[in-house]
Amino acid sequence: NFMLTQPHSVSESPGKTVTISCTGSSGSIASNYVQWYQQRPGSAPTTVIFEDNQRPSGVPDRFSGSIDSSSNSASLTISGLKTEDEADYYCQSYDSSNVVFGGGTKLTVL
Amino acid sequence: QRQLQESGPGLVKPSETLSLTCTVSGGSISSSSYYWGWIRQPPGKGLEWIGSVFYSGSTYYNPSLKSRVTISVDTSKNQFSLKLSSVTAADTAVYYCARSRAYCSGGSCPREWGQGTLVTVSS
Repeated sequence: NFMLTQPHSVSESPGKTVTISCTGSSGSIASNYVQWYQQRPGSAPTTVIFEDNQRPSGVPDRFSGSIDSSSNSASLTISGLKTEDEADYYCQSYDSSNVVFGGGTKLTVL
Repeated sequence: QRQLQESGPGLVKPSETLSLTCTVSGGSISSSSYYWGWIRQPPGKGLEWIGSVFYSGSTYYNPSLKSRVTISVDTSKNQFSLKLSSVTAADTAVYYCARSRAYCSGGSCPREWGQGTLVTVSS
């Protein structure tokens, strides 16, 4: 079964840059779109990146997405960290049989 | 203003069927541009895709839930629904409805989400 693996947690200081990885277990992660979702405590997820590297309107350009085929992974990079970026982040993609989410990464901005 | 709103019972007894509805506002569910889907999140845990439906009625389901899930669309009410049968405590979760672009195979790219509704399975 296709799986996406994320680090359990990351932390960084305000103003810095952080990158969250999402590694595919099989196949080529570049073959299907990857999405990234932000979920603050008690709230529904919201999309911060869709189709690998596209930002919905209203999402600041501090958020960016990329794909690295050599490591079969996707990455979410957040620059100029703000305390409001503290949240859980989930990557998501799919294979021929299922839609899959990563386990989520808790970002702490301290 | 959110475009997707979940509704349904917050408490379901074990072995019964969980039924939820998602009302779509601000656009037609009959659009060929979108798939409509369900995703759930057990308390304190991650996200799990349940399945999706196209306005024509075509469906895609998570293989691990397929035997218990039915997702359907009611174009006259601009709603789509989820039914999950034979529920247990493991089905306790926040259930979200979501919209995906149709060019993503089987609704596999959720982009807009509802606010979610907590369903507890307990006697």
